[in-house]
Amino acid sequence: NAGVTQTPKFQVLKTGQSMTLQCAQDMNHNSMYWYRQDPGMGLRLIYYSASEGTTDKGEVPNGYNVSRLNKREFSLRLESAAPSQTSVYFCASTGGVTRSYGYTFGSGTRLTVV
Amino acid sequence: GDSVTQMEGPVTLSEEAFLTINCTYTATGYPSLFWYVQYPGEGLQLLLKATKADDKGSNKGFEATYRKETTSFHLEKGSVQVSDSAVYFCALSDTGNQFYFGTGTSLTVIP
Repeated sequence: NAGVTQTPKFQVLKTGQSMTLQCAQDMNHNSMYWYRQDPGMGLRLIYYSASEGTTDKGEVPNGYNVSRLNKREFSLRLESAAPSQTSVYFCASTGGVTRSYGYTFGSGTRLTVV
Repeated sequence: GDSVTQMEGPVTLSEEAFLTINCTYTATGYPSLFWYVQYPGEGLQLLLKATKADDKGSNKGFEATYRKETTSFHLEKGSVQVSDSAVYFCALSDTGNQFYFGTGTSLTVIP
């Protein structure tokens, strides 16, 4: 089925370790987003890519980097994981004007930093 | 700036009860409004949307009406089922391709 695919689904890291969360969409969407979801905080935007070759910071970018590898793929990297980065991470994409079409979300990556 | 405020949960209802989840918004322009649903262990799915004032979005028995005068977009369902147990997010999108989400309301429906 067409959609947004995130890998891995679960990950446990030790403080200071690094990892990359992968996201790919097969809907030919231009814009892609990374959010984190924490209890009582809703979803907060980490980084987004309005189109291939561009990336911009969102509300909570500190401690993260992103790469828009091509139109399909948008990865999120944690260079030195901290317990405060324990969260559920969602990737999303949209192909048109968001106010008309909304987002399509992946199923999430549940990350625990110990 | 733009923001969304939705009622805090958790909400627990008996099957076939009436559901209302309140959502109000602040926006500088003329936003589109959305309700997303998140089932346990899954990502968010679009439930319904409304793109202009007085529009009513509906899907799977859920409804919400875009009220500009009260800046609200309350979610309602006449008779909830156990399968409706999930977290519901109100969101808006104004100019630019970004969303502003509420904090989510957890709904549990008991048989």
